[in-house]
Amino acid sequence: GAVVSQHPSRVICKSGTSVKIECRSLDFQATTMFWYRQFPKQSLMLMATSNEGSKATYEQGVEKDKFLINHASLTLSTLTVTSAHPEDSSFYICSASRTQGIGTDTQYFGPGTRLTVL
Amino acid sequence: GQQLNQSPQSMFIQEGEDVSMNCTSSSIFNTWLWYKQDPGEGPVLLIALYKAGELTSNGRLTAQFGITRKDSFLNISASIPSDVGIYFCAGLGGGSNYKLTFGKGTLLTVNP
Repeated sequence: GAVVSQHPSRVICKSGTSVKIECRSLDFQATTMFWYRQFPKQSLMLMATSNEGSKATYEQGVEKDKFLINHASLTLSTLTVTSAHPEDSSFYICSASRTQGIGTDTQYFGPGTRLTVL
Repeated sequence: GQQLNQSPQSMFIQEGEDVSMNCTSSSIFNTWLWYKQDPGEGPVLLIALYKAGELTSNGRLTAQFGITRKDSFLNISASIPSDVGIYFCAGLGGGSNYKLTFGKGTLLTVNP
């Protein structure tokens, strides 16, 4: 299989606080993990790409100091939304690609995290 | 940048009907993926296509990777209520290499 989990599934926080979201590949090793943001009734927007042991690559317009990404192991990546504000409220989804074998670039998605900033 | 044109944007069908949706692009992709997303959930991979001309089935789903690597279709046969959701096509490779390029999605509603 190719199962990706995310935690938490929902989080509500006060403005100004930081929130950490975890993404884990449960039954495979992931060289690369991706973080997306999705607004209602829209497609997924790639925020950043992270490779184990190296700095994340951010898409244009995404503030790297605002959205901190750490990919500490082949099965875990974290996204920290720092000093969150209401406009950061969104659905955040991670995905992971296998390290080897056919279709190594196929991305498997986590269930998403709904962030609400009050 | 690369773009995927997905159509139709939405579909309303009766249970038991067959459904077809497609994606086209001006760019070549090395891999073509079809995902389904339920409300409040992440996308779930339905079918992955790796070779030009490849036709692959997964239960009631059938998808084909166009011979030019610039298009793909997804068919759902004998639709059931749980087929409701948003279907996304996504392309990998080409100019963006490892990044997925998503279509805008097809919202499918199945009336029992």
